[in-house]
Amino acid sequence: KNQVEQSPQSLIILEGKNCTLQCNYTVSPFSNLRWYKQDTGRGPVSLTIMTFSENTKSNGRYTATLDADTKQSSLHITASQLSDSASYICVVRGNNAGNMLTFGGGTRLMVKP
Amino acid sequence: ETGVTQTPRHLVMGMTNKKSLKCEQHLGHNAMYWYKQSAKKPLELMFVYSLEERVENNSVPSRFSPECPNSSHLFLHLHTLQPEDSALYLCASSQGVNRHDGVLFFGSGTQLSVL
Repeated sequence: KNQVEQSPQSLIILEGKNCTLQCNYTVSPFSNLRWYKQDTGRGPVSLTIMTFSENTKSNGRYTATLDADTKQSSLHITASQLSDSASYICVVRGNNAGNMLTFGGGTRLMVKP
Repeated sequence: ETGVTQTPRHLVMGMTNKKSLKCEQHLGHNAMYWYKQSAKKPLELMFVYSLEERVENNSVPSRFSPECPNSSHLFLHLHTLQPEDSALYLCASSQGVNRHDGVLFFGSGTQLSVL
C-alpha cells in the first residue's frame, strides 16, 4: 500500500532558527515528490517539486532534498520567519496507471517571536 | 490568490439540511477536484472531473453529489450529512489529470460543521 509518513507531526521553533521536516514514502514506482505549504485558513500552495534525478532544490529559504534509494525527502527552512508558520504537506506521485497522488498528514510548524 | 475561488468560506448545517459548495477557477485548467481535509488526517480525494466528465469517485457516500457544468465551475451538493462529515472541503484545479509534472492549485476551502 502506498503511504507517505511525515515527521514531526508538529514543531515549535523561535524566529530566526532553522528546522528540518521529514517525509518518508513507500510509493512505487515513483514519479515525483512535491512539498506544499498550507497557511491557516488557506489551501495548500506548491513550494517545490523533486523528480527522481534531483537530490537538492532550493526555493528562497526553503531547501528540499530527495534520496530516492531510501525513499526519503526533507524540507529545510533557514532563518525562519513568523510567516513560515503553517502546515507543510509532502505529496508523492506514483508512476503507474493513473499516476496517483499520495498525501502525507503534514507537519504543523509554529514560529514564535 | 491562487486563481481558485470557493464559497462559502464557512458553513454550519443541520443533518437534515441541503446545501451546496461552489468552486470557480480562473486559470484555464481542464481538471477539477474535490478533497476532504479532516483534522490530523491526510487529504482525501473525493471526486475528479476532467473536461467536465467525472473520471474518479473514491467511494464517497451518496450524500455528497458533485456537479461540473463547465470546465471553470464545480459544485458539491450536500444532503443529510452526518457530524463526521465536518471538515475542510478543498477544491483544486490542474492542467490535465494526473500529469507527471502536474501541480494542483487549491482554493481556500469551505470549513463545514454539521450539527
